[in-house]
Amino acid sequence: NAGVTQTPKFQVLKTGQSMTLQCAQDMNHEYMSWYRQDPGMGLRLIHYSVGAGITDQGEVPNGYNVSRSTTEDFPLRLLSAAPSQTSVYFCASSYSIGTGSTEAFFGQGTRLTVV
Amino acid sequence: SQKIEQNSEALNIQEGKTATLTCNYTNYSPAYLQWYRQDPGRGPVFLLLIRENEKEKRKERLKVTFDTTLKQSLFHITASQPADSATYLCALGRGLRNQGGKLIFGQGTELSVKP
Repeated sequence: NAGVTQTPKFQVLKTGQSMTLQCAQDMNHEYMSWYRQDPGMGLRLIHYSVGAGITDQGEVPNGYNVSRSTTEDFPLRLLSAAPSQTSVYFCASSYSIGTGSTEAFFGQGTRLTVV
Repeated sequence: SQKIEQNSEALNIQEGKTATLTCNYTNYSPAYLQWYRQDPGRGPVFLLLIRENEKEKRKERLKVTFDTTLKQSLFHITASQPADSATYLCALGRGLRNQGGKLIFGQGTELSVKP
């Protein structure tokens, strides 16, 4: 049981390049989210999904796209990388008990540097 | 806009003492509050969840209180050990099905327990 798997762990991009951060979970969780973590700012929500085919924006969605075609996968796409997107990215999944979600399981993170 | 603040960026205590971390929020009506632990270079790990209708939750040496009138949660680690040294994050969720997986995080408090 791998939990939440993120790839790659490290990435360096040049300004203007595009790339996809992969996230997969094997726990059959309906909820998945992407966060970015910058020093002194905690985790900020980029996009989230409440099920396959359903996504919504979080606090800082600009410059990022997501899609959720399966329950297991939730990739995050950077359309045209900018230095302001240098950060550590975390993917998380959680399940529902009644209404809303419960504890979130996080991946190990992707450390992205845009030069 | 909604805001979550954790009492300090860093907290230093002596081994064996009780560590108390604070999480305050404004402009938000959470259905539940969660606490996570994060070690350097790793993703957050869930510790405790407390719902809006609960005053206190305990798990081994951990205790969480939740006061929706004061809009505050206190997180206590009793008989602290150097292994408890980490960054602790609080997070709020609304408990609405269409917002499942959407958490708002504080900036974190870095706890250091000295032998």
